[in-house]
Amino acid sequence: EVLLVESGGGLVQPGGSLRLSCAASGFVFSDYWMSWVRQAPGKGLEWVANIRGDGDETYYVDSMKGRFTISRENAKKSLYLHVNSLRAEDTAIYYCARERAYTYGLFDFWGLGTLVTVSS
Amino acid sequence: DIQMTQSPSTLSASVGDRVTITCRASQSISYWLAWYQQKPGTAPNLLIYKASNLESGVPSRFSGSGSGTEFTLTISGLQPDDFATYYCQHYNNHSPYTFGQGTKLEIK
Repeated sequence: EVLLVESGGGLVQPGGSLRLSCAASGFVFSDYWMSWVRQAPGKGLEWVANIRGDGDETYYVDSMKGRFTISRENAKKSLYLHVNSLRAEDTAIYYCARERAYTYGLFDFWGLGTLVTVSS
Repeated sequence: DIQMTQSPSTLSASVGDRVTITCRASQSISYWLAWYQQKPGTAPNLLIYKASNLESGVPSRFSGSGSGTEFTLTISGLQPDDFATYYCQHYNNHSPYTFGQGTKLEIK
């Protein structure tokens, strides 16, 4: 069974930083592109970034380039999102999602998400 | 970037009804369109991919159609479990993967 479990969210002050983690199980983690998708309270879904199975290729939505960094540790079957210079508008549930094999950007499994709240 | 626009934003219907949600892309995306269902407090769930392919385990009352810039999601014979928010999404190039703003399906 494919499982994705996010952690690392919480309350952070504006300008602060966090590292979000996603622990994967039930599939060969290194074979898959992985993404982070976020959802502000009461709002829609916004793709954030993704990373290739070997970690050597990454893409970001333009508005988050430079502040967010996606990475992975295949030996630990873990995906990460380092978020810096946080703003109130970054408040959201952050989901990790698996991209279906050979299909960029089709999210076939999602975690339950971790809530990041940016507030003073 | 490709923009995805869904209509309506909110839809009221009754159990047993047939409903249709529309998604329009700002430029042609061929058939690279997915639909997701999201219930409150849960993650999205993939329903349809490549515009009209039903994901394994999804009831056959869900169907998708379209290509190019206009797509539809149809639910035939609404069940109580179907009242949720639905999102379309463009995919299959490297970035960015864009979602529609969502359609909330409410009980009339």
